[in-house]
Amino acid sequence: EPEVTQTPSHQVTQMGQEVILRCVPISNHLYFYWYRQILGQKVEFLVSFYNNEISEKSEIFDDQFSVERPDGSNFTLKIRSTKLEDSAMYFCASRGQGLTEKLFFGSGTQLSVL
Amino acid sequence: SQKIEQNSEALNIQEGKTATLTCNYTNYSPAYLQWYRQDPGRGPVFLLLIRENEKEKRKERLKVTFDTTLKQSLFHITASQPADSATYLCALGKGGKLIFGQGTELSVKP
Repeated sequence: EPEVTQTPSHQVTQMGQEVILRCVPISNHLYFYWYRQILGQKVEFLVSFYNNEISEKSEIFDDQFSVERPDGSNFTLKIRSTKLEDSAMYFCASRGQGLTEKLFFGSGTQLSVL
Repeated sequence: SQKIEQNSEALNIQEGKTATLTCNYTNYSPAYLQWYRQDPGRGPVFLLLIRENEKEKRKERLKVTFDTTLKQSLFHITASQPADSATYLCALGKGGKLIFGQGTELSVKP
């Protein structure tokens, strides 16, 4: 079955540094998402992206966050100036067109901000 | 505000028995409800989707019910196996934006 690929699997950074989390969604999918999960907490929606623009974002997704689809295959999440509370597992997800709302999630990037 | 509640305590059952997990929600009218499986350190894996106009859905040993009046979904795994041990997440959605419950950890003992 096709997979969503995320890199790196682990990222350690210093507070205030910029990080870019990378994702390769499933090739014929058109809708892309970032979710995050703080240890022991719920999976939370961050942002959805369609047709090269953000279609919806949560309150968490403030000005420190941005997303980009720089080419036909990659989808990135950038955090400009990381904070301790940004430490979490970040999941990329994608879905195809049409009535299917089934999301395919990647294995995640564990971000640790020190 | 929207709220989704799943059994907060871990569910321990014997192999071969049926596991039943509950998802309740308030202040929301979802177009559909989904169940995902999550293993430690991994992303959620889609299991089943049920729409607001459907009462029940089955897939192999899995069965989901959806009662929009009670605002509740039940998720059943019949003939459970140790390999079914995982955390099961309920998610409500419209479009692709999902709101997840906190998950119920299921442990199936041989």
